[in-house]
Amino acid sequence: DIVMTQTPLSLSVTPGQPASISCKSSQSLLHSDGKTYLYWYLQKPGQSPQLLIYEVSNRFSGVPDRISGSGSGTDFTLTISRVEAEDVGLYYCMQSIQPPLTFGGGTKVEIK
Amino acid sequence: EVQLVESGGGLVQPGGSLKLSCAVSGFSFRDSSFHWVRQASGKGLEWVGRIRSKAKSYATEYAASVKGRFTVSRDDSKNTAYLQMTSLKTEDTALYYCTGLSTPWGQGTLVTVAS
Repeated sequence: DIVMTQTPLSLSVTPGQPASISCKSSQSLLHSDGKTYLYWYLQKPGQSPQLLIYEVSNRFSGVPDRISGSGSGTDFTLTISRVEAEDVGLYYCMQSIQPPLTFGGGTKVEIK
Repeated sequence: EVQLVESGGGLVQPGGSLKLSCAVSGFSFRDSSFHWVRQASGKGLEWVGRIRSKAKSYATEYAASVKGRFTVSRDDSKNTAYLQMTSLKTEDTALYYCTGLSTPWGQGTLVTVAS
């Protein structure tokens, strides 16, 4: 199984400041079709997970452009350029290149 | 608007069965794979299984923890995916979500396995 390792476990960020979350996979997520199957989800308190980023860097509909994804192969980063109160929650990365699909352990983002 | 609505959860005794449904609207259901993901209270996300589209022969895959006990199916005429759960264990207690991965997630349906 592909292991997804997220760091840090938690982040406390001042509004307006940047934040970044790292996600490393135990195997390359680059498929032979040229796509890299790495997703980022945010689970706000009491809510279902919501898709932020698919295939490393593609923002889902409605996701603000201050949230971005980058990386390749086995190393990926989610960056929030200016954290806002609505960004609070648990962030998960996930790979779907091969079953079983696996999630990172989650990063809790809170506001200072 | 894309919507996924799960239903069918409830309280069941260990060893029992339950069938969850996921009704999908506003999305090209028949061309997409659908996944079930669960989350035990206070825990992270765990992938349960998926069913691929007709074009991919409705192939299914499962997490090792549920293989042989759970079955994912779909009815393209009803835009609905299903998760049949048998031989349920207390550790299957969780909120179960369906998702197309690149779609919104449903609100989840709670499965509680307890005597």
